Amino acid sequence: TQLLEQSPQFLSIQEGENLTVYCNSSSVFSSLQWYRQEPGEGPVLLVTVVTGGEVKKLKRLTFQFGDARKDSSLHITAAQPGDTGLYLCAGASGGSNYKLTFGKGTLLTVNP
Amino acid sequence: DSGVTQTPKHLITATGQRVTLRCSPRSGDLSVYWYQQSLDQGLQFLIQYYNGEERAKGNILERFSAQQFPDLHSELNLSSLELGDSALYFCASNDPGQTNTGELFFGEGSRLTVL
Repeated sequence: TQLLEQSPQFLSIQEGENLTVYCNSSSVFSSLQWYRQEPGEGPVLLVTVVTGGEVKKLKRLTFQFGDARKDSSLHITAAQPGDTGLYLCAGASGGSNYKLTFGKGTLLTVNP
Repeated sequence: DSGVTQTPKHLITATGQRVTLRCSPRSGDLSVYWYQQSLDQGLQFLIQYYNGEERAKGNILERFSAQQFPDLHSELNLSSLELGDSALYFCASNDPGQTNTGELFFGEGSRLTVL
């Protein structure tokens, strides 16, 4: 069974601070996705990383896929209250794109 | 708006009862996935359908069943409900022919409370 461990589980910071959340596994994934879920909503895809070592930027969010494709990180610069939500990583393995493995998420609260 | 529609948004029922959750996928998406989300287990994959056929099964209990109809909408049936079945149930869709990395588009979920 492939597992994705996300850390920290909870994070509460002030507006303007920087933060990094992590997604780790002992398994290799062919690609990894990050989703954000707001209260009362379903997860929304932020980014997909495919190549080991890949870095993708989405405004103030920077996503990195580990060289060995077993881990990923999400860095947020100058966090804003609108960044509040549950950040989920999901790994896809081999050709089975229909069975993503989700981590339990990092619940981020950005206080004004 | 992801384009995936789920009904009902909220459902309260009693133990032993049966409920049906409904999902309409994004226009053009052939695959529908069902997930259960609880605080302790996170997002758990239940089952996937592709163009009316079951494609993959995850941690779905025998008391639960699903189907996808010719118009591609899907229903998740939960029976003999227990307190522990209280959770958020999400439907997601994609078109596997259009993506080789499996990104999913989620509905807003159905919150089931079993009393």
